Amino acid sequence: DIQLTQSPSFLSASVGDRVTVTCRASQGVSTYLAWYQQKPGKAPKLLIYAASTLQSGVPSRFSGSGSGTEFTLTISSLQPEDFANYYCQQLYDYPYTFGQGTKLEI
Amino acid sequence: EVHLVESGGGLVKPGGSLRLSCAAAGFNFSTSSMHWVRQAPGMGLEWVSSISSSSTFLYYGDSVKGRFTVSRDNAKNSLYLQMNSLRAEDTAVYYCTRLYNWNGGDAFVIWGQGAMVTVSS
Repeated sequence: DIQLTQSPSFLSASVGDRVTVTCRASQGVSTYLAWYQQKPGKAPKLLIYAASTLQSGVPSRFSGSGSGTEFTLTISSLQPEDFANYYCQQLYDYPYTFGQGTKLEI
Repeated sequence: EVHLVESGGGLVKPGGSLRLSCAAAGFNFSTSSMHWVRQAPGMGLEWVSSISSSSTFLYYGDSVKGRFTVSRDNAKNSLYLQMNSLRAEDTAVYYCTRLYNWNGGDAFVIWGQGAMVTVSS
């Protein structure tokens, strides 16, 4: 199975900050990497697919990059609604594993 | 409107069975690869199972293999997850989701609201 390791697991930041979350895969996944945002009690919401493509309707302050085994999610200027949990997921090979998550706190 | 609605969750004793359903609307269900993802209380997301559009290809996570069975009825726009030999560690919110395919990447775009399954004596 392909393991995904996110770092950091917890991130404390302020409104207006630029933050980056990293996702490392145990083997290459090409660009079959997606990022999701999840708020308490809600289903995950897709932010980025194909490693760097912004999903329709997602604010442009979110961006993704990487290929192979190392990927990043960047939020250029944190807004109050961005404080949530973030997960990466590989869809290169079954099982479609998720990273352990990053909790972004104020 | 595009949506997925899960049902069938509840409280079940260890060793028991439960069947989740997911009703789809607003998109071409019969040509869609469908998946189940779960989330234990306070924990991260775990991919559980998938089924191809014509039920030809079925995949399961190691933790549920041999105990869970995924199926679908395209005529009813419905997805199912039969869960047998349930354990306490199966306690989670179960989401159904649709896989979208793009050039260079796939992702889960549509998610249901989730169904809570609690395994406890």
